[in-house]
Amino acid sequence: DADVTQTPRNRITKTGKRIMLECSQTKGHDRMYWYRQDPGLGLQLIYYSFDVKDINKGEISDGYSVSRQAQAKFSLSLESAIPNQTALYFCATSEGRTGTSGGNTGELFFGEGSRLTVL
Amino acid sequence: GNSVTQMEGPVTLSEEAFLTINCTYTATGYPSLFWYVQYPGEGLQLLLKATKADDKGSNKGFEATYRKETTSFHLEKGSVQVSDSAVYFCALKALSGGYNKLIFGAGTRLAVHP
Repeated sequence: DADVTQTPRNRITKTGKRIMLECSQTKGHDRMYWYRQDPGLGLQLIYYSFDVKDINKGEISDGYSVSRQAQAKFSLSLESAIPNQTALYFCATSEGRTGTSGGNTGELFFGEGSRLTVL
Repeated sequence: GNSVTQMEGPVTLSEEAFLTINCTYTATGYPSLFWYVQYPGEGLQLLLKATKADDKGSNKGFEATYRKETTSFHLEKGSVQVSDSAVYFCALKALSGGYNKLIFGAGTRLAVHP
C-alpha cells in the first residue's frame, strides 16, 4: 500500500459544484502539503500544514480551502469549482519538528495524484 | 526572489544515449538543490540532492553537481534506458516566509526510444 494515499484518483465535475480531495498518510510525518500541477508550470503550492493546528496559504490558495482533521489526514476543498481549476493535484508529506521552520531534509513524499476536470 | 529554470522539453533520445537536462537557479544564500522524477501515472519521487557547493548527488546512474559559480545543477546520465522515460523536476529549498520551502522548476519530459 502507498504511504501517501489520495482519493479520488480521477473526478469529473461541473462548474459550481463543491469538491473535496482527501489525503491520508502512514509515514507519521507532521508536515503535509497540497500542490497543483499544470503542464509547463511545474508544481504550485496551494496550502501547507506543519501540524493539526498550523495551516498556511501557499502561492495559489484563492478558491481553495483545507482541513487538517488529524496528523495523518489533510483534505483540500473547492467550494465552487471553475474550469481553470482543472489540473492534477498532489498531496505530499515531509519530516520536520512541529513548530520549527527548518531542520528537515527537504524531501517530499508524494501521493499518486488526483486528476480533476471541471466542465 | 527564489526561482528555478529548466530546459524545455520534450527531450527525445535513443536508448544508450547521453542525457543532460539543464537547470539553473536564482536564490539568496546557499539553497539545497534537488532532482525529482515523475514516472507516468505516479507522484514525484526524490532522485538525488546536493546540499552545498561542489557536492555531487547521484542515484540510479544519474548525477548532478552543485555549481555555485554558475548557479546550476544539471542532471546527467551516461546511458539512458527506456525505463528512464519520465518528467524530471529540478527544485531548490530556500527560506521563504519563515520556513524552508521547496520551489520547483516547470519540469522536463524525457522520452527514450529503443
